[in-house]
Amino acid sequence: EPEVTQTPSHQVTQMGQEVILHCVPISNHLYFYWYRQILGQKVEFLVSFYNNEISEKSEIFDDQFSVERPDGSNFTLKIRSTKLEDSAMYFCASSRDTNTGELFFGEGSRLTVL
Amino acid sequence: AQSVTQPDIHITVSEGASLELRCNYSYGATPYLFWYVQSPGQGLQLLLKYFSGDTLVQGIKGFEAEFKRSQSSFNLRKPSVHWSDAAEYFCAGMNTGFQKLVFGTGTRLLVSP
Repeated sequence: EPEVTQTPSHQVTQMGQEVILHCVPISNHLYFYWYRQILGQKVEFLVSFYNNEISEKSEIFDDQFSVERPDGSNFTLKIRSTKLEDSAMYFCASSRDTNTGELFFGEGSRLTVL
Repeated sequence: AQSVTQPDIHITVSEGASLELRCNYSYGATPYLFWYVQSPGQGLQLLLKYFSGDTLVQGIKGFEAEFKRSQSSFNLRKPSVHWSDAAEYFCAGMNTGFQKLVFGTGTRLLVSP
């Protein structure tokens, strides 16, 4: 069964460092997403991406964040100058279309900022 | 504002007993509604979804959910819980034609022997 894969599973970084989280969406999917879950809190939408551009972003997704689909298979989330409050589980998701509304999630990348 | 509320943070159920997890939504129009499950160290797995039509939807692993417009609810049920059902359960909503899922805070299910 096709699945969304994310790497790394866990990353520890120092405050102020840049981090890139990697995702490989399901191959025939066209819509890509990043969500995050701060420990003990709800899963929150960060950004959606379609046709090589951001289609929607939340207020959380400020200039510190960026997304890219560099090679047609990977979908990356870059966090510049990480802050302590960026520590969270980051989930990538993909969907084939918006008609079904069904998103397929990866297992997440846990980011710890020290 | 669009929101999904799960009033129960933790629920403990005996193995073999029935289960109901509560979810309420607040949307201008009837949204798409979903239940996801997250086992420890795992991603979010879709259990079931409601778009329209039959208000009782069947999902994987023996779960079902009932959409009740009058109560703005979409409660998840299972007639007999197994120890492997212990996990975190998330209710989520999405406006039709949009892509952003709004999640509830989750309910952690504990299954006692």
